[in-house]
Amino acid sequence: GQNIDQPTEMTATEGAIVQINCTYQTSGFNGLFWYQQHAGEAPTFLSYNVLDGLEEKGRFSSFLSRSKGYSYLLLKELQMKDSASYLCAVRDRSGNTGKLIFGQGTTLQVKP
Amino acid sequence: ETGVTQTPRHLVMGMTNKKSLKCEQHLGHNAMYWYKQSAKKPLELMFVYSLEERVENNSVPSRFSPECPNSSHLFLHLHTLQPEDSALYLCASSQISGSGANVLTFGAGSRLTVL
Repeated sequence: GQNIDQPTEMTATEGAIVQINCTYQTSGFNGLFWYQQHAGEAPTFLSYNVLDGLEEKGRFSSFLSRSKGYSYLLLKELQMKDSASYLCAVRDRSGNTGKLIFGQGTTLQVKP
Repeated sequence: ETGVTQTPRHLVMGMTNKKSLKCEQHLGHNAMYWYKQSAKKPLELMFVYSLEERVENNSVPSRFSPECPNSSHLFLHLHTLQPEDSALYLCASSQISGSGANVLTFGAGSRLTVL
């Protein structure tokens, strides 16, 4: 079956580093996405990985290992505004029209 | 207006009512989506329209009826809903092309409560 797993909740301290893990089992794979969603707002795109390795974008980095069905989102120099839900999603087949399968999201709370 | 806008932001309806959710995208994208977001559950894809043609219908009950009159507008018509249909309904759009990531841009959602 199709399955995306990520922790439900995480807590971290302002200024610290936090890593949010995501493991997936899907019938196909054509890319992994991370979205950020603040309460009551639209999910916004953070990163996209289709090849193995690390993609860095400012304070945020995302890593992918296709052989292990594993990704993580790394947030550095945490700020209070980073408190949000982080959604991991996998495109399930080749070509860019495949549907996105989402995990249930990880709610991150950043404390002073 | 920029991005993807959804109206209404909040809707309360009885089980016998008929209502519609509206989505408009200002990004020139060629695909639009409806997702359902329930508490503690993953986002569930409901419908996909590509170039105004429905290309995916994820076994959604017939009490939900989508309509895509043009590439910028998407509706979700609701009738005889059940309390378990209460959720956040998210609209998204994307540009499907021969290459590229096909990144979805989401609206802020319509919070639906069925009494």
